[in-house]
Amino acid sequence: SSELTQDSAVSVALGQTVRITCQGDSLRRYFASWYQQKPGQAPILLFYGRNNRPSGIPDRFSGSTSGKTASLTITGALAEDEADYYCNSRDSSATWVFGGGTKLTVL
Amino acid sequence: QVQLQESGPGLVNPSETLSLTCTVSGGSINSDYCSWIRQPPGKQLEWVGYISDSGSTNYNPSLKSRVTIWIDTSKNQFSLTLNSVTAADTAFYYCARMIINVPAKMGWFDPWGQGTLVTVSS
Repeated sequence: SSELTQDSAVSVALGQTVRITCQGDSLRRYFASWYQQKPGQAPILLFYGRNNRPSGIPDRFSGSTSGKTASLTITGALAEDEADYYCNSRDSSATWVFGGGTKLTVL
Repeated sequence: QVQLQESGPGLVNPSETLSLTCTVSGGSINSDYCSWIRQPPGKQLEWVGYISDSGSTNYNPSLKSRVTIWIDTSKNQFSLTLNSVTAADTAFYYCARMIINVPAKMGWFDPWGQGTLVTVSS
């Protein structure tokens, strides 16, 4: 089965822009979805497909894909954005896989 | 607004069967995929599997021999059983509605239940 690889930890200064990446061969064939998880809470959907943001998600969250890399960009990070971020996509065997997660620290 | 809620025992003995139910409110589970995802404490998310409203299933290959998901559309519920559990199956278990758009090559999980912790221990 396919794997999705994420950096384990990323930091960003308050108000700056940060990109969280997700790499995997399956991303050449299927778009990623992105989830935010804060301590003690269930994940929430942030972004999916080519250009889809659920209602209620701030537009500072955006996604993109290039080759086998999907990216989640936070433009103007807030303290409340400190959380774990996970990507997910479908692999070649039609099952679904999550990345290992990225812990974002807002400095 | 669709909401999901997991229910079931929080403690299961090793070698026995874990059983959880997800109740969907505020909408119907028809035409969606109903999925289970788990997360050992402090670790990453792991997709367990899903069932469609017609009953077709798709499971994580690493769990396929032990997992069953079934659906009761009349009750707006779907359920998970995991056989022969060990301590490695201790995790938060989440149910989620899944939408798959094959032509657009995308799928996503939304919304999620709050999750329930299942501990495997004697």
